[in-house]
Amino acid sequence: DQQVKQNSPSLSVQEGRISILNCDYTNSMFDYFLWYKKYPAEGPTFLISISSIKDKNEDGRFTVFLNKSAKHLSLHIVPSQPGDSAVYFCAATGNQFYFGTGTSLTVIP
Amino acid sequence: DSGVTQTPKHLITATGQRVTLRCSPRSGDLSVYWYQQSLDQGLQFLIHYYNGEERAKGNILERFSAQQFPDLHSELNLSSLELGDSALYFCASSVGSGPYNEQFFGPGTRLTVL
Repeated sequence: DQQVKQNSPSLSVQEGRISILNCDYTNSMFDYFLWYKKYPAEGPTFLISISSIKDKNEDGRFTVFLNKSAKHLSLHIVPSQPGDSAVYFCAATGNQFYFGTGTSLTVIP
Repeated sequence: DSGVTQTPKHLITATGQRVTLRCSPRSGDLSVYWYQQSLDQGLQFLIHYYNGEERAKGNILERFSAQQFPDLHSELNLSSLELGDSALYFCASSVGSGPYNEQFFGPGTRLTVL
């Protein structure tokens, strides 16, 4: 049972434009959400997080939005850069961590 | 470099065998988490140890076991291996035991079961 879902396996965006990665979850008890970025042959690295008491968190070019009523999370990257090309995983925590299947972002120069 | 080390990087073995994956956390981190990433799957949480004690269990099979030693390194033991156990196995470490502590991931061990 996949409690965290990323329905878009891949996304291509032009350099300088906005990248929007989406994530849906099913468990309303989740209270903390995270995005991780993963390059090939490396482990995931933490990118940004948001608590369920907030609806937005910003860190430089990265902003995460949380819509609790829709059980939906999104990551916005503005402007997108070629170095952002990676696989992005969203994750949610309750009593344990649940990860989505990832979205492969390609930023085209 | 996250500071988390995993050995070996690659492991090829046969069905029915047993293997041990090793993880050394970042200096000062007391928590170790194990994850499995199968083809086209997200990371599946397996187990969490904090300062030598098991804190949470996820979708870990009975054929799998783990432990965290007094020096805080951890080992994941996989036995009676099946083809479906072929996957990337990641460990991650964090300072504390709660979900709000940032986890730092190792580069993973790629297990291939033939």
